[in-house]
Amino acid sequence: QKEVEQNSGPLSVPEGAIASLNCTYSDRGSQSFFWYRQYSGKSPELIMSIYSNGDKEDGRFTAQLNKASQYVSLLIRDSQPSDSATYLCAVRDRTGGSNYKLTFGKGTLLTVNP
Amino acid sequence: IAGITQAPTSQILAAGRRMTLRCTQDMRHNAMYWYRQDLGLGLRLIHYSNTAGTTGKGEVPDGYSVSRANTDDFPLTLASAVPSQTSVYFCASGSITGELFFGEGSRLTVL
Repeated sequence: QKEVEQNSGPLSVPEGAIASLNCTYSDRGSQSFFWYRQYSGKSPELIMSIYSNGDKEDGRFTAQLNKASQYVSLLIRDSQPSDSATYLCAVRDRTGGSNYKLTFGKGTLLTVNP
Repeated sequence: IAGITQAPTSQILAAGRRMTLRCTQDMRHNAMYWYRQDLGLGLRLIHYSNTAGTTGKGEVPDGYSVSRANTDDFPLTLASAVPSQTSVYFCASGSITGELFFGEGSRLTVL
């Protein structure tokens, strides 16, 4: 059973701070990793994808991947109240090819306080 | 561009009734998925389809069936609904790089 683990939170940070969200996964052969943001009552929205070890930056968001440690993280710089949401980590099934199944973590609830 | 369209957005259903949740995409993705999301359990895969004409079982397939007659449509059917199928259902399509794009969800209550 492939597992994706996240701290459920809630994680509370002040406005302007850096929010750090963490995720570990069990399948060492996983190749593709994704972060989704889900506002309450809404559908998940893709915000970052990362495929190689290291950092990937997109605006205020940075995804970090360490395959040796089976660890992926999301940093949100200059956090805003509008960033308050549940953040879901997702890992693509090892089989790849035409099989694109993702396993999701249960999500971390982030609250940014004004 | 709509992306992924789901219908209905919300439905209350008596136990034992048959129900089909509709999902249509206009993104021309080969892969499509149905997830259910429950408090404390996260997103769980029900069924998936890698391409038109093929389907596969996910983590929680019992009580559900799907079909994939063409690229755009991927309906999910509950043959005889039970209260444990009360959930929010999300349809998604998948790009070739593995990214999933979700519809707005269908909230189903089975009484």
